[in-house]
Amino acid sequence: GESVGLHLPTLSVQEGDNSIINCAYSNSASDYFIWYKQESGKGPQFIIDIRSNMDKRQGQRVTVLLNKTVKHLSLQIAATQPGDSAVYFCAENMRSGGSYIPTFGRGTSLIVHP
Amino acid sequence: DAGVIQSPRHEVTEMGQEVTLRCKPISGHNSLFWYRQTMMRGLELLIYFNNNVPIDDSGMPEDRFSAKMPNASFSTLKIQPSEPRDSAVYFCASRAMGLANTGELFFGEGSRLTVL
Repeated sequence: GESVGLHLPTLSVQEGDNSIINCAYSNSASDYFIWYKQESGKGPQFIIDIRSNMDKRQGQRVTVLLNKTVKHLSLQIAATQPGDSAVYFCAENMRSGGSYIPTFGRGTSLIVHP
Repeated sequence: DAGVIQSPRHEVTEMGQEVTLRCKPISGHNSLFWYRQTMMRGLELLIYFNNNVPIDDSGMPEDRFSAKMPNASFSTLKIQPSEPRDSAVYFCASRAMGLANTGELFFGEGSRLTVL
């Protein structure tokens, strides 16, 4: 069976390459999604978000793609840099009592080799 | 702004002892969340408050866990008695009402708890 939690999925890339990190979410009622970056010893930090009425959103060096049909998100990082090395989480959000309540995925560890 | 401030950053205690973790949210934020992070379970929502009122504590694992928010600038998460399986990093996060429609959380740097 799956060794849940013992190891994070890991993506290793060379500096300058493009990175693609994938995330499957579970609830079709989720209508807002956020990617967070967590560096070692720190709390998660917001990178980019997307609403369910969009399928693509671009930021600085990052692009998020949303496929609602298969409940899949991806985060693309262009020209990956050593400073991008971190664990990346997607968070799906559902409205509850007027607030968005985030549920986090397991995370993917990105390792950038210089 | 100093961001979300958590204390202590690290705590090592013995099984059976009481542990109190503290959080100061960003000024003006009126939603506060407590998360626990472990390798096995990832980031789990324990409880969240809106305007100092606990809204959902269904993630609190057991009666040994309790959280309070006596005012808009302070919250505590208490574990009594602590057990080795409580060892984890505990994060506090806050959010402004004006951002309720976006859901972006601002996290503290976490409190790493080790229960021996």
